[in-house]
Amino acid sequence: GIQVEQSPPDLILQEGANSTLRCNFSDSVNNLQWFHQNPWGQLINLFYIPSGTKQNGRLSATTVATERYSLLYISSSQTTDSGVYFCAVLYSGGYQKVTFGTGTKLQVIP
Amino acid sequence: DTEVTQTPKHLVMGMTNKKSLKCEQHMGHRAMYWYKQKAKKPPELMFVYSYEKLSINESVPSRFSPECPNSSLLNLHLHALQPEDSALYLCASSQAAESSYEQYFGPGTRLTVT
Repeated sequence: GIQVEQSPPDLILQEGANSTLRCNFSDSVNNLQWFHQNPWGQLINLFYIPSGTKQNGRLSATTVATERYSLLYISSSQTTDSGVYFCAVLYSGGYQKVTFGTGTKLQVIP
Repeated sequence: DTEVTQTPKHLVMGMTNKKSLKCEQHMGHRAMYWYKQKAKKPPELMFVYSYEKLSINESVPSRFSPECPNSSLLNLHLHALQPEDSALYLCASSQAAESSYEQYFGPGTRLTVT
């Protein structure tokens, strides 16, 4: 099946710093989402971004489907950004089969 | 409204118990999903329902039995579970696969099997 790798696996930031999270996938995908999982386990939708670039406040995302990667940018980080960030892909060869990436655990310290 | 609700929030059960997890959405979505997430791991797909029919079973043991009584409800019936089944169980929904895919997740049920 498709492999979805995220980097870095762990990241510690000072409040106010910027960061880039990466999601690489091994096969063609129809769709890609970014999620933030808070400490209570809730998965919060950040972006639905099969291709192109989107921005929402301090967050933005870019997916280059032809090169099989997506990037999530976090600017001016806040302590509330802490948690685990997942990308999830629906790959072209699988009907509705969603594969999550390995995750990036982010800790923002004051 | 993009809310998916799950009950209960927490569940502790013995290996001989029978229990059910419930999930509900009112977004008119026709695809619903169950995922299992172990600690420090990503969610893993268990089941997919499309138009109230089971379309994907990811080789899940028969002690987990899904049910989709109508397009808004999804249940997961649990019987004779093992301690290694302790995990966070997440429900999600999306428009059917023919169109938009964006998935929306519930808050999860944290299950402990003793």
